[in-house]
Amino acid sequence: AQSVSQHNHHVILSEAASLELGCNYSYGGTVNLFWYVQYPGQHLQLLLKYFSGDPLVKGIKGFEAEFIKSKFSFNLRKPSVQWSDTAEYFCAVNAGFQKLVFGTGTRLLVSP
Amino acid sequence: DGGITQSPKYLFRKEGQNVTLSCEQNLNHDAMYWYRQDPGQGLRLIYYSQIVNDFQKGDIAEGYSVSREKKESFPLTVTSAQKNPTAFYLCASSPNKRGYSNQPQHFGDGTRLSIL
Repeated sequence: AQSVSQHNHHVILSEAASLELGCNYSYGGTVNLFWYVQYPGQHLQLLLKYFSGDPLVKGIKGFEAEFIKSKFSFNLRKPSVQWSDTAEYFCAVNAGFQKLVFGTGTRLLVSP
Repeated sequence: DGGITQSPKYLFRKEGQNVTLSCEQNLNHDAMYWYRQDPGQGLRLIYYSQIVNDFQKGDIAEGYSVSREKKESFPLTVTSAQKNPTAFYLCASSPNKRGYSNQPQHFGDGTRLSIL
């Protein structure tokens, strides 16, 4: 069955530190990949997505993610985090027109 | 301004009662979804609907029911058969008739359900 793993459940960083959140999925065929973010008290919103083409995709607010097919990974990165990046981040995978499967989420706390 | 409206924001239920959570979208999307969010478990799919008058069970449909009589509305009923209903419920929609495909889903603000 299709599954998504986010290995970091809680991450604490200081402002200006670099961020990388891991996401691995289990599916051998064509996949569509997403990162969603949920800021405190707000609804879940799309951060970025990968469908095809350039495996390095850029999203909103300076985030980017790299799709590495051989590693079944779609890690989220940001060179320098801000206090306003404090949120919960979810990786999600859709494969073969089947359902969207979410990871368990990573809570990021950025201290000023 | 287009979007998804979930109501109420907070809901309390007594043991043995059914409650219905509302989800309305004005995005003209064909597909709608209900998820349950629990701490440390991410989002789990309860039910989804790809088109009016049609819906399918997700991973955790037991104790829940839905209807899709109108394109813009997808209410979720939490029945007394749901043994652990306390959770945060999220409704989403996407434009794709085929369901999930490669269109991102748009989410509502959620409803937090608690048992008294």
